[in-house]
Amino acid sequence: EDKVVQSPLSLVVHEGDTVTLNCSYEVTNFRSLLWYKQEKKAPTFLFMLTSSGIEKKSGRLSSILDKKELFSILNITATQTGDSAVYLCAVFTSYGKLTFGQGTILTVHP
Amino acid sequence: SAVISQKPSRDICQRGTSLTIQCQVDSQVTMMFWYRQQPGQSLTLIATANQGSEATYESGFVIDKFPISRPNLTFSTLTVSNMSPEDSSIYLCSATAGGSNGYTFGSGTRLTVV
Repeated sequence: EDKVVQSPLSLVVHEGDTVTLNCSYEVTNFRSLLWYKQEKKAPTFLFMLTSSGIEKKSGRLSSILDKKELFSILNITATQTGDSAVYLCAVFTSYGKLTFGQGTILTVHP
Repeated sequence: SAVISQKPSRDICQRGTSLTIQCQVDSQVTMMFWYRQQPGQSLTLIATANQGSEATYESGFVIDKFPISRPNLTFSTLTVSNMSPEDSSIYLCSATAGGSNGYTFGSGTRLTVV
């Protein structure tokens, strides 16, 4: 059974802090790993990672994949209150299935 | 990436009734999916909506309870049948056209069954 595990499950920081969110996976026929931000109902796409060691960046967010150790990290630098959300990691397999982790609840205090 | 319009945004329904949720994509997509997110939980895949054929359901989900249609490449519906309070969840559709844009999600339907 495909499994995606995120840690920590929740995190409380202050504005300006840097956070690192973790995602490990055990799946059959891995194709890509995706990160999403969920604030209300709909997850918003952040990154799609398919190759090891290549960092993807978007503003203060960055992510990298390690296919040997089967994990990914999502970094957020200089956090802002608007970064408060649930961050979801999901793995897409060649069977066409997207399996989600439990999510990390990030709370950024002013 | 594709933009998905999902409706209704929310509904409160009586137990024993059925609700149909619609998703319209603004471009042709290869795959469409339906997810459920129960309170405090992550997303669970209900089924893959196949164009022109029966949906492919995940373990624990059956067609009689969650019938799905996908008559063309841009539209799909999910019906939650004979609802009970345990069906109270957020329901999300998702689609991908492949490539590096990942999966796009609809805005979600918050269903409360009373």
